[in-house]
Amino acid sequence: EDKVVQSPLSLVVHEGDTVTLNCSYEVTNFRSLLWYKQEKKAPTFLFMLTSSGIEKKSGRLSSILDKKELSSILNITATQTGDSAIYLCAVEAGAQKLVFGQGTRLTINP
Amino acid sequence: GAGVSQSPRYKVAKRGQDVALRCDPISGHVSLFWYQQALGQGPEFLTYFQNEAQLDKSGLPSDRFFAERPEGSVSTLKIQRTQQEDSAVYLCASSLNRARYTGELFFGEGSRLTVL
Repeated sequence: EDKVVQSPLSLVVHEGDTVTLNCSYEVTNFRSLLWYKQEKKAPTFLFMLTSSGIEKKSGRLSSILDKKELSSILNITATQTGDSAIYLCAVEAGAQKLVFGQGTRLTINP
Repeated sequence: GAGVSQSPRYKVAKRGQDVALRCDPISGHVSLFWYQQALGQGPEFLTYFQNEAQLDKSGLPSDRFFAERPEGSVSTLKIQRTQQEDSAVYLCASSLNRARYTGELFFGEGSRLTVL
């Protein structure tokens, strides 16, 4: 059975800290890995990763995929209170089917 | 509209009632997905359409769940004889990309179903 596991499940840090969120996967037909940010409403797309070792960056957020270790990390530097959200990792396992992890709830305290 | 629109946003149903949840994807998006998100969990795949064709319904939990997209745009997820375990947020997402990768999914705000 395809599985995506995220850690930690919950994380509380102070504004300005740097955080690293982890995602590991076991899927039979890996195509891509995606990160989403979910505040109270709809998940919003952050990154799609297909190649190992190539960092994707958007402002203070960055992510990299390690296909050998079957994992990915999402880094957020100089965190702000607006970064508080649930971060979802998903793997495309087969045509057009995303398998999501349970998410990491990140809380940034001022 | 600019984004994926879902209705109703909130639905309370008595056990045994039928419900219908609607999704208006972004205009021109070929792919449409339904996901179920229980409290504290990540979304779980239900079904996928490419235009009007339902190409994958392997995630539908039982034959009480039925989805359609007859004209390749608006989709409806119907749940018959609702049970308490059906309580969840039902997310609809659409995507322009039908190439090799699913690509960026645009999610609606979801329909929160509570079955009493």
